[in-house]
Amino acid sequence: SQTIHQWPATLVQPVGSPLSLECTVEGTSNPNLYWYRQAAGRGLQLLFYSVGIGQISSEVPQNLSASRPQDRQFILSSKKLLLSDSGFYLCAWSVQLNTEAFFGQGTRLTVV
Amino acid sequence: GQNIDQPTEMTATEGAIVQINCTYQTSGFNGLFWYQQHAGEAPTFLSYNVLDGLEEKGRFSSFLSRSKGYSYLLLKELQMKDSASYLCAVRDVTGGYQKVTFGIGTKLQVIP
Repeated sequence: SQTIHQWPATLVQPVGSPLSLECTVEGTSNPNLYWYRQAAGRGLQLLFYSVGIGQISSEVPQNLSASRPQDRQFILSSKKLLLSDSGFYLCAWSVQLNTEAFFGQGTRLTVV
Repeated sequence: GQNIDQPTEMTATEGAIVQINCTYQTSGFNGLFWYQQHAGEAPTFLSYNVLDGLEEKGRFSSFLSRSKGYSYLLLKELQMKDSASYLCAVRDVTGGYQKVTFGIGTKLQVIP
């Protein structure tokens, strides 16, 4: 069966520090991968998606970037965090692009 | 773009039935998803509708009317563990490009 791992579960980082969140998927090949952010009182916002190694599409301009160095690995990064980057970050995968998504446990990021 | 509206909060009694509505406006509708999200956890997929009508899965059913831009999630025989947020998400295809947009979610509280 397929599983998705995302870490860390919680993170507190100072403003201006870098960020690296990692997500890996097991039990499937060539998944579509997504990074979402969920801010308090707001819906899930798609940040990035990837249909294959090295292929990244960005949905919104922001302070973040994503990379997919391996088929089942998706990384969310920032060089300098802003206070507004605080939120609940979720990695997800799907079999086909934009079919039902299966989410990782999420990372609650607090920028202080 | 898309507009997705669902009530912010609802309260229902254990053992009862509750209906959570979702209305949407989109130019290229291509499917609607419902997810359940317990506080602090990742969303889990509940149902998918692309054609008009009712899809039933145990205690949960989801209905879609494309002409009215309307869906509902029906939860029967409510249990305390059903207390969670329920997210409506709409897939839109515009210019050959697919996108899924999530609503803010409806926070359901089940009381004894």
